[in-house]
Amino acid sequence: AQKITQTQPGMFVQEKEAVTLDCTYDTSDQSYGLFWYKQPSSGEMIFLIYQGSYDEQNATEGRYSLNFQKARKSANLVISASQLGDSAMYFCAMREVNNNDMRFGAGTRLTVKP
Amino acid sequence: EAQVTQNPRYLITVTGKKLTVTCSQNMNHEYMSWYRQDPGLGLRQIYYSMNVEVTDKGDVPEGYKVSRKEKRNFPLILESPSPNQTSLYFCASSSRQGLIYEQYFGPGTRLTVT
Repeated sequence: AQKITQTQPGMFVQEKEAVTLDCTYDTSDQSYGLFWYKQPSSGEMIFLIYQGSYDEQNATEGRYSLNFQKARKSANLVISASQLGDSAMYFCAMREVNNNDMRFGAGTRLTVKP
Repeated sequence: EAQVTQNPRYLITVTGKKLTVTCSQNMNHEYMSWYRQDPGLGLRQIYYSMNVEVTDKGDVPEGYKVSRKEKRNFPLILESPSPNQTSLYFCASSSRQGLIYEQYFGPGTRLTVT
């Protein structure tokens, strides 16, 4: 079964600095999608960024970029120029093309310090 | 406005008292699913539905039922709730357009079973 691992339960970063949140995954499929979601203290799930397994370039969305290393099965989220509003839980998730469920990691709690 | 709605947002109930959490989406999405979120475990899928009258079990279906009689609605039913079902529940929907289909999440329902 596919599995998502986020090894950092909590991370701290200074405001305006960059931070990398780690995510590794396990799958035997060749075709899959990787997602990152943000969950602020208010509880809602906010979609941040998507990377397809066949995409040759790393995905970017504003201050978010995904460092995709297919051979190592890692999909780390990079947040540049951190802001106080970035403090939240961050979840990595994966869906395989032949599977109907989306698997989530346990999450990383990011705290941005002023 | 495109959205997924859930009701109620908060619910405290007692063991054994049947309850239903409603979920509705206005985006004409085929795919809907239910997740529960517990600390340290991330989100785990309970049930999902590929379309009307098509439902299937996720990772943690025990103690839950679902139905999909209309495309827009996907209620979650707890026939006899128990304290281990105390959790934060999310409904989500997406279209089936290959892998690039982010899930839109509802605001969450915080359930406490005493």
